[in-house]
Amino acid sequence: GNSVTQMEGPVTLSEEAFLTINCTYTATGYPSLFWYVQYPGEGLQLLLKATKADDKGSNKGFEATYRKETTSFHLEKGSVQVSDSAVYFCALTPRDSSYKLIFGSGTRLLVRP
Amino acid sequence: EPEVTQTPSHQVTQMGQEVILRCVPISNHLYFYWYRQILGQKVEFLVSFYNNEISEKSEIFDDQFSVERPDGSNFTLKIRSTKLEDSAMYFCASSVAARNTGELFFGEGSRLTVL
Repeated sequence: GNSVTQMEGPVTLSEEAFLTINCTYTATGYPSLFWYVQYPGEGLQLLLKATKADDKGSNKGFEATYRKETTSFHLEKGSVQVSDSAVYFCALTPRDSSYKLIFGSGTRLLVRP
Repeated sequence: EPEVTQTPSHQVTQMGQEVILRCVPISNHLYFYWYRQILGQKVEFLVSFYNNEISEKSEIFDDQFSVERPDGSNFTLKIRSTKLEDSAMYFCASSVAARNTGELFFGEGSRLTVL
């Protein structure tokens, strides 16, 4: 079946620290991969995506590379800010379904000044 | 910036009662979705809707659930006879296109508490 596994949070970092949030997936075929972010009091927002192997998605200083060999899509940022504090969700869309996202459990990030 | 809006933000109901959660998708979007997140668990797909019919639904979306687009702007999720385990945050989403874009725009969610 299709599933997404994320590292458990919360992740607490100081401002300007390096961030990695691990995400691995199980899927039949080659899914599209996404990171969504949920800021406090808001809905989920697409952060970045990659639709094929070796693609790198990037946005707002965040990056993730679609690694087929390790079935991973780890989220990274070189220098986090307090405003990055949020819950981050890794997700996939299976190739056999156009209509649904399968989410990981979410990782809460707290960045301290 | 256009956004998906959901009402109510929080609803408390008694077990067995009917609940309707409402959503106003972004106006030029064609695909509509409901997801839910039980406290402490993953965000789960419930149903997708396009051209006035269900495109896909999960095994969670059984006969007690229904969706409707009663007019040109609203998209509703009805739970006919709520159970305790229906307590969750329900997210509405919409998108311009469906096929593997993943660019869903989500509302802030409606929290349902079933007592």
